[in-house]
Amino acid sequence: QLQLQESGSGLVKPSQTLSLTCAVSGGSISSGGYSWSWIRQPPGKGLEWIGYIYHSGSTYYNPSLKSRVTISVDRSKNQFSLKLSSVTAADTAVYYCARGYQLLIDYWGQGTLVTVSS
Amino acid sequence: QLVLTQSPSASASLGASVKLTCTLSSGHSSYAIAWHQQQPEKGPRYLMKLNSDGSHSKGDGIPDRFSGSSSGAERYLTISSLQSEDEADYYCQTWGTGGVFGGGTKLTVL
Repeated sequence: QLQLQESGSGLVKPSQTLSLTCAVSGGSISSGGYSWSWIRQPPGKGLEWIGYIYHSGSTYYNPSLKSRVTISVDRSKNQFSLKLSSVTAADTAVYYCARGYQLLIDYWGQGTLVTVSS
Repeated sequence: QLVLTQSPSASASLGASVKLTCTLSSGHSSYAIAWHQQQPEKGPRYLMKLNSDGSHSKGDGIPDRFSGSSSGAERYLTISSLQSEDEADYYCQTWGTGGVFGGGTKLTVL
């Protein structure tokens, strides 16, 4: 069964860059037809799509975050990554990685809390 | 613009059934959606993909108590024989020019 596991720094200072990695097991990140997404959830709020990288390497970013987001894939390690620059307190959230088929999510990671604070 | 609308809250009694609704904005009634469950203090869990014709495919291990149906721009999630662990937030999700989530429905099991 497919499993996704987020890892990275849980505390980031304002104006710095948030970096997270999602390790994929039980399936190949290079398999055709799948998208690999980052989604976040601020405390007590709903879900917000950050962006995805397709199996082909093409990316889509939420326009509201596009200038600060980079999603990349490391096929040799079967993982993909998120970088979010110039963070502020508004970026404090639980960050989830997820797989999508035809852009509908069908597997989620367990999530990791990232707090932006000095 | 594609928007998914959900009622903020719903409630039903233990052992009863409940039907949650996700409404697609005008012009998007043919879109498929996915339903996700988020239990308290946990990450979301994929429940099912639901097509405009009401056909649906469930995720691994999702009980038969969970089913989906569609009518026009409405997408429904029906949970029968409600159990205490069904108390959760339920989100619908689709894709337009970007990923779209509904605001979520908080289900209380009485």
